[in-house]
Amino acid sequence: AQSVSQHNHHVILSEAASLELGCNYSYGGTVNLFWYVQYPGQHLQLLLKYFSGDPLVKGIKGFEAEFIKSKFSFNLRKPSVQWSDTAEYFCAVNGPPAGNMLTFGGGTRLMVKP
Amino acid sequence: DAGVTQSPTHLIKTRGQHVTLRCSPISGHKSVSWYQQVLGQGPQFIFQYYEKEERGRGNFPDRFSARQFPNYSSELNVNALLLGDSALYLCASSLAPTGSYEQYFGPGTRLTVT
Repeated sequence: AQSVSQHNHHVILSEAASLELGCNYSYGGTVNLFWYVQYPGQHLQLLLKYFSGDPLVKGIKGFEAEFIKSKFSFNLRKPSVQWSDTAEYFCAVNGPPAGNMLTFGGGTRLMVKP
Repeated sequence: DAGVTQSPTHLIKTRGQHVTLRCSPISGHKSVSWYQQVLGQGPQFIFQYYEKEERGRGNFPDRFSARQFPNYSSELNVNALLLGDSALYLCASSLAPTGSYEQYFGPGTRLTVT
């Protein structure tokens, strides 16, 4: 069975600080990896995804993530956060035989102070 | 284009009652998945339907059931409600249930069981 761990439950940063959120997964086969964001009062939105190819993927709003297969990791990064990045961030994985059914991590709540 | 829609937005039920939640996928999407998001946790997969057939089921009791209609909309039913069923229930749609197809999430139905 797949599982996803997000190490930081709560992160507080000041504007312009750099962000890195950790995500590790356990699954021995081919995986697709995702980061979703849930802004206050809004629905889950896809930030970025990795299926294959370049392990450094860029998403919306200046976010990027790096897939390191040897470490089973898919950490999310942003060089300079803004107050509007305050949200909850979820790492998720899918892979055969589960089709596109997603297994989510527990989430990281990010608060950016102006 | 309309996104995934869910109804109702909020619901309050008493223990032992039954509830039906509804979901309309994005036009053209034939796969619908249901997730339960308990406060402070990541979403957990409940069911996936594709072309009216169940394609996957998560680790939930038989009190949970679902179906998909010819127009690809879906219902999630929960019988004999327990306090622990209080959660945000998310519906997601995709073109097909294979791993490379992104899931798009609706705003959710907030269920409170008292």
